[in-house]
Amino acid sequence: GAVVSQHPSRVICKSGTSVKIECRSLDFQATTMFWYRQFPKQSLMLMATSNEGSKATYEQGVEKDKFLINHASLTLSTLTVTSAHPEDSSFYICSAPSTSGGILFFGPGTRLTVL
Amino acid sequence: AQRVTQPEKLLSVFKGAPVELKCNYSYSGSPELFWYVQYSRQRLQLLLRHISRESIKGFTADLNKGETSFHLKKPFAQEEDSAMYYCALNPLRNQGGKLIFGQGTELSVKP
Repeated sequence: GAVVSQHPSRVICKSGTSVKIECRSLDFQATTMFWYRQFPKQSLMLMATSNEGSKATYEQGVEKDKFLINHASLTLSTLTVTSAHPEDSSFYICSAPSTSGGILFFGPGTRLTVL
Repeated sequence: AQRVTQPEKLLSVFKGAPVELKCNYSYSGSPELFWYVQYSRQRLQLLLRHISRESIKGFTADLNKGETSFHLKKPFAQEEDSAMYYCALNPLRNQGGKLIFGQGTELSVKP
């Protein structure tokens, strides 16, 4: 099946710094990718939809200036957490839809810890 | 409003017991529903979709439009079934992929 990778798998940074997370579709093209936050044993919170060649679409309550999304190519989307604070510590997951639309392929996630 | 509800945050059963993870949805159209599973230290993955009408790892789920439910069932739970289970709705049938997820149910199967 299709594979989505994320890098890094975990990152620890100091408060105030920026962190970039990459999401790649390895063997298929994705014009759309989705970014989520996942809290321990809780649901996925959709943050934004990344669109190749155009601006990302953010969900209500998500600060677009804080969570910068760039969909540079048909296989790469990046999420940059700017001026990170401890409350941004979370598990960030990306996904890409199959060509039939309804099925999502998920990345392994990135554990962000902001000190 | 489009919504997926999983009323149980945690479901604990013994090995060999039947298990049912509940999922109710709110959607005005004809829904496309899925169950995704996340095993410990693994990524989320598709378990099954209602269109396929298949049994995966012994799990089945039937769409009940009258009750707006899509409960996940397995007659005999195994320890390896322990995981987080998410019910999801695709409001843009056959396109988009912007799924609406339920809150998730943690299934714990005890020996």
